[in-house]
Amino acid sequence: DVKVTQSSRYLVKRTGEKVFLECVQDMDHENMFWYRQDPGLGLRLIYFSYDVKMKEKGDIPEGYSVSREKKERFSLILESASTNQTSMYLCASSLGALMNTEAFFGQGTRLTVV
Amino acid sequence: EDQVTQSPEALRLQEGESSSLNCSYTVSGLRGLFWYRQDPGKGPEFLFTLYSAGEEKEKERLKATLTKKESFLHITAPKPEDSATYLCAVQPGGQGGSEKLVFGKGTKLTVNP
Repeated sequence: DVKVTQSSRYLVKRTGEKVFLECVQDMDHENMFWYRQDPGLGLRLIYFSYDVKMKEKGDIPEGYSVSREKKERFSLILESASTNQTSMYLCASSLGALMNTEAFFGQGTRLTVV
Repeated sequence: EDQVTQSPEALRLQEGESSSLNCSYTVSGLRGLFWYRQDPGKGPEFLFTLYSAGEEKEKERLKATLTKKESFLHITAPKPEDSATYLCAVQPGGQGGSEKLVFGKGTKLTVNP
């Protein structure tokens, strides 16, 4: 089974702090994604990566950056946390083949910025 | 613009009462349509992938079907443990196709005993 592991289930950070969310997948997937999920807005893509050191902006990249130094690990960075970044953050990975393109998700990190 | 609309937003069923959830989509070429189940406070769990109109997939009490404009998730004789939010997502294809998924906002299903 594919396993996508996020480093924390719950985080509480202060406004202005630099926050790191870590994600690791164990299936040698090419693609990795960071989404945030908010009530009434659904899942929105922040960034994704299709290869080591490669990244593309999603729909809401402002206030975030990412890092992918190794194939299995994809980090989301909040440069200066703000209260409007309080949300559920979800990491996902997918194989990247023509077929079998389904994405598998981690358990989520609920981030609260106070 | 690629779009996914799920209906209804919420659905309450009695145990054993079969029904269907709808996912309609507008996308420039379709590489795949995906169904996920999400329990409160957890990440989405993959259920099905459908690639072409006419395709069907089944898993226990769930059956997913696909046409050129929409997909249905049929739930037969549901049980309380089927209560969850069901998410639909599409992967755009065609020229400039992407690895990104476009998600609907989900249908929250509650099955009462």
